[in-house]
Amino acid sequence: DGGITQSPKYLFRKEGQNVTLSCEQNLNHDAMYWYRQDPGQGLRLIYYSQIVNDFQKGDIAEGYSVSREKKESFPLTVTSAQKNPTAFYLCASSDRVQETQYFGPGTRLLVL
Amino acid sequence: GDSVTQMEGPVTLSEEAFLTINCTYTATGYPSLFWYVQYPGEGLQLLLKATKADDKGSNKGFEATYRKETTSFHLEKGSVQVSDSAVYFCALSDFYEGGSEKLVFGKGTKLTVNP
Repeated sequence: DGGITQSPKYLFRKEGQNVTLSCEQNLNHDAMYWYRQDPGQGLRLIYYSQIVNDFQKGDIAEGYSVSREKKESFPLTVTSAQKNPTAFYLCASSDRVQETQYFGPGTRLLVL
Repeated sequence: GDSVTQMEGPVTLSEEAFLTINCTYTATGYPSLFWYVQYPGEGLQLLLKATKADDKGSNKGFEATYRKETTSFHLEKGSVQVSDSAVYFCALSDFYEGGSEKLVFGKGTKLTVNP
């Protein structure tokens, strides 16, 4: 089955620690996205990538980093510079022709 | 910039009631419009979409019509079920400089349907 997988489902971060969230897709989509969702809020775009080896900052990129070494994978690192990382993180991908974004199941990040 | 405004929740209905969730947008161009649904603890799923004025998107009994004159894309369902309980997001497509696409989301409306 084609789809997007995110791991882990829950992630705990200690103060000063960097953590990496995984996102993999087998939909053969060129574009991939990372969003942050806070309670009662809509989704805010962190980073996006239109093609392998290229990515751009979204609206709230500070304290985050990404890489896009393979078409299927778009990992997100939450660095120690992100002072309020507790949130639900969603990865998405899209075929540029169809325009629709498809979402993974999400990773909930909590700070210890 | 472009924006989406949807009615604040939460919305609580009885089973078989009629549902309307209002959504209006501001955009400089001609965006595509979307409704996504999020069930508890899950990611978002596309519910329906419309790509041009007067298009009607429909899926699972839900409908929404792209109204350019009122810049609206209201979600409706004639008879809701308990299984429709979820958070509903209205969104539009926009483009960064250079042509890269992005989605702009409303804040979401939580729907609870009681038996």
